[in-house]
Amino acid sequence: EVQLVQSGAEVKKPGESLKISCKGSGYSFTSYWIGWVRQMPGKGLEWMGIIYPGDSDTRYSPSFQGQVTISADKSISTAYLQWSSLKASDTAMYYCARLVVGATDYWGQGTLVTVSS
Amino acid sequence: EIVLTQSPGTLSLSPGERATLSCRASQSVSSSYLAWYQQKPGQAPRLLIYGASSRATGIPDRFSGSGSGTDFTLTISRLEPEDFAVYYCQQYGSSPWITFGQGTRLEIK
Repeated sequence: EVQLVQSGAEVKKPGESLKISCKGSGYSFTSYWIGWVRQMPGKGLEWMGIIYPGDSDTRYSPSFQGQVTISADKSISTAYLQWSSLKASDTAMYYCARLVVGATDYWGQGTLVTVSS
Repeated sequence: EIVLTQSPGTLSLSPGERATLSCRASQSVSSSYLAWYQQKPGQAPRLLIYGASSRATGIPDRFSGSGSGTDFTLTISRLEPEDFAVYYCQQYGSSPWITFGQGTRLEIK
């Protein structure tokens, strides 16, 4: 069974750093792109970027370029999303999802990030 | 950047009725790369339709997708109580590779 399991909810202060994770299982982790999606409270879905764990090829949506870093450790089938200095506006639910041709077929359960002083 | 515009923003219907949701792209989108998702409160999105018209695994046949070029439609033939949710279209393939529409909220009338 394909599963993407994300790390738990986080509460951070502005300026702090954070790295959240997404662990894949039940499929060849290195053979599919993984993407990250932001959903701010009460809002829609925003694509942040994608990574191919096989070779760590990474691409960012222009809105998120320079704001976050996407990485992966294929040895443990895990993708990451990290911030070096959080802002209150980073408060959101973050989802990882597996990409197949033309769609994203499996999604993680989401990680809620709350940034508040 | 391809912008996807969904309409209506909110659709109020009763169980048993037919729902028609629209997704319009600012530029032509390959039909192979147009998908629809359903999201219920507190849940991750669920893939319904890929390739504009193919149902994902386990999706009931009351859900259907159609369209090409810049105009795409998701149709729910007879609404069940569990179908009331937010629906998003997504295009995949043109820089910046993936974008979503802003969503249509399907609510019980």
